[in-house]
Parts: sequence; C-alpha cells; structure tokens
Amino acid sequence: LAKTTQPISMDSYEGQEVNITCSHNNIATNDYITWYQQFPSQGPRFIIQGYKTKVTNEVASLFIPADRKSSTLSLPRVSLSDTAVYYCLVGDRGILTGGGNKLTFGTGTQLKVEL
Amino acid sequence: EAGVTQFPSHSVIEKGQTVTLRCDPISGHDNLYWYRRVMGKEIKFLLHFVKESKQDESGMPNNRFLAERTGGTYSTLKVQPAELEDSGVYFCASSQGYGTYTDTQYFGPGTRLTVL
Repeated sequence: LAKTTQPISMDSYEGQEVNITCSHNNIATNDYITWYQQFPSQGPRFIIQGYKTKVTNEVASLFIPADRKSSTLSLPRVSLSDTAVYYCLVGDRGILTGGGNKLTFGTGTQLKVEL
Repeated sequence: EAGVTQFPSHSVIEKGQTVTLRCDPISGHDNLYWYRRVMGKEIKFLLHFVKESKQDESGMPNNRFLAERTGGTYSTLKVQPAELEDSGVYFCASSQGYGTYTDTQYFGPGTRLTVL
C-alpha cells in the first residue's frame, strides 16, 4: 500500500478556497486516490475519488498530475462547517478480488475554518 | 436510504468482561469492514467480510476478538475478555461489492468502547 504524506493542519477563513496536497510517491498502477472527511464523534465520510487528471463533484475537486505522485483536494469557498480532518488514501479498489479493499488511514489534515 | 448503523454508541465495561458490538450495513452491500481507532492512534483496519465470508482478517489484533456475519447481513464483533488496550472507537463500514465500479466505503458513527 502506498504511503501518503499530508500536512498535519491547515487554517483558513470562511469563503476562501482550500487546497490540501497529499504526496504518494510509491503509488502503484492499480491504485486510486480517495479522500475522506471526518468530524468529531463521527465516522469518516467519502468525499471524492480519482485515478488521474481532474475529478469534480458537488463537494470538491481532485487534481492529479500526470505522474500521479501527488494529489490536491480543493474545497471551494469553505465555511465553518468544513472544519474537520481530511484523509488522503491510496490503494487499489479490489475490483478484481471480489470488490472492496481495506483502507489505510494516515494521520490526516486537521482543517480549521474561522470567521 | 438508511446508512450504516452501529450499536451501542458507547460501552463502558470492566477489564475481563465481554462486549459485543453490532453493525448493520447499508442494505444490499456485500462488503462489510471493521476498523478501530485507539487513543491517539490512526484508524486501523481489523477485518473485511464479503457476504458471510471473511475475506481479510489480517488486522485482528488477537484471538480475543471474534467477528461474525451470519447470513451476510449484520455483523457482530465480540471482545472476550476485554483488556484496557481495547479501549477506542470501533467503526464499521460497508460497500457494494463485486461487479461495481466503485467500492466507496460508507462508515457508521462508531462505537466508543471504554475498558476500565
């Protein structure tokens, strides 16, 4: 499983765009990049997943360069409610082995949004 | 659609006692996972069910932990006898399974276990 490195913490203000970068130099060909968000006293919540280039959904965008050794989660116009821990995870999706695969969590990035 | 539910939300027991945690996955999800976070540590994988079969139990810490998923629906995780180091938050997650293009895991709120 590819090891990931991301900042321990980030601070931002409401209305700003936040970009959290994750390094995964040893990413394998079959690996996907997935981001989860976790609020205190809750389970992790899926945000976005991608393999290459750019992925966008209603919550965030994920930018993945051609070498795939890093990825950037972009949160547009954050609000106080975006204060949470954000995890970057890398691994294959186990599609060929019956669907699903264990997730390996790191320490995550604690994002704090202030007024 | 109901999400992943876990019961109880909190459990406080004494060392040496037995505790059983329950997880109800999202209906129709073949994959069910157990994870846990012990104090100050990262979330760690415990095991993975595909329907009623254990696909991967490499993360189970020792034989005091027993997980079951009879009938491929809900799952239980029993700790017997509980030790102090078992304290932490136990998360359950589920995902759809083979043949799908996504294995997005949906997590429950967790069970906070405190062993005194």
